[in-house]
Order: sequence, then structure tokens, then C-alpha cells
Amino acid sequence: KQEVTQIPAALSVPEGENLVLNCSFTDSAIYNLQWFRQDPGKGLTSLLLIQSSQREQTSGRLNASLDKSSGRSTLYIAASQPGDSATYLCAVRESYNTDKLIFGTGTRLQVFP
Amino acid sequence: GAVVSQHPSWVICKSGTSVKIECRSLDFQATTMFWYRQFPKQSLMLMATSNEGSKATYEQGVEKDKFLINHASLTLSTLTVTSAHPEDSSFYICSARDLDALGEKLFFGSGTQLSVL
Repeated sequence: KQEVTQIPAALSVPEGENLVLNCSFTDSAIYNLQWFRQDPGKGLTSLLLIQSSQREQTSGRLNASLDKSSGRSTLYIAASQPGDSATYLCAVRESYNTDKLIFGTGTRLQVFP
Repeated sequence: GAVVSQHPSWVICKSGTSVKIECRSLDFQATTMFWYRQFPKQSLMLMATSNEGSKATYEQGVEKDKFLINHASLTLSTLTVTSAHPEDSSFYICSARDLDALGEKLFFGSGTQLSVL
């Protein structure tokens, strides 16, 4: 059974710091992995999607890497800003044949000025 | 960009009553929508996959007679929690796939916080 874990559960950093959020999964046979952002009272916003054949994806200040063999993904946020404060979720999709996403419990990030 | 609207945002109800949650895709057609549930300090868990014009597919352990799903149009799916009890109190969130978008595009509603007294 696939399990997705995110560490740390919460993180508080001053503005400007570079930071790394971690996601691990127990079964390396995945179709893709996504990173989402969740703001209070709002839905999830997809940040980056990495296919199983890819090693990383970048969007602006965000960079996500994927190491299938070790069951790990990291989300790197450069030059953090207060507006980055949110809960970050990673989710894996196990195969093309299933629409089911298996989510981690998230990392709650606070960036203070 | 594509938007998924979910209502209500929060609802408080008495035990034994039924609650309906709506999920609408505002600017795209969604043949498939997904319903997730999140208990405090736990991860989002898929409850069921809602298919337009056909029966929903429920995940193991989710009671289909308790969580009624209707997907009567390409832009609307509803989840009805029948005879709600305090243990049903949770955060419910829907998502929909925009098939016309390049790549895999999943859009989520803002969620519904259900509290059953």
C-alpha cells in the first residue's frame, strides 16, 4: 500500500531564505508526482507535476525534484516571501489507469517578514 | 484559468440530517470529478470518482449509501452526506479534470468544512 509522508510538518522561516520541503513515498512504481499549495479557505493549486520519467521541474522560484528509486521528492523554494505562506502537499498518482491521488499530510509553511 | 466552485464553504448541521455539497466546473466540462475527505491532521483521502451519466466509483471503506454522488451534467457533481453523524465531520473537497487543457490539469474546489453536532 502506497504511503506518502511529508517532513517537516511545519516550518517557519524569515523572508528571503531558501528552503526545502521533503516528500517520500513507499512504492517507487508511480506514474507521476505533484506538488500542491493549499491556502486557508481555498482549494488546492497545482504547482509542479513531475512525470515518472522526469528528474525535475521548475516554475519561477520553485524547483521540484524526483528520485523514484529512493522514493523521494523535494520542493525547493528560493528566496521565500511572506506570500509563500501556505500548506504544501505532495501527491502521487500510481498509474495511468487510476485517477486516484495519494496525498501526504502536508507541510505548513510560514514565512515572516 | 479553469475554476472549480464548491458550495457551501462550511456547514453545521444536527446529527441525523442530510447535507448536500455542490461542485461545479465553471469554464470547462468535466466528465470526471473526484471527492476527497480530510480528517484533522490526516491527509486528503479519495472517497469516490464521479462520472457524468453513470454511477460513481467508491473507494474501499466508503459507504455508497451514505455518501450519495450525483453527476447529472458535465459541469456539476453533488455529494450528499445522508443521516450525518459527528464522525462524518470533516473537510470535503472536490476536484475536476479539464480534458481540453494541455497536459494533465486537475482543479480543486475550495472545500467544505462539515461539522455535525
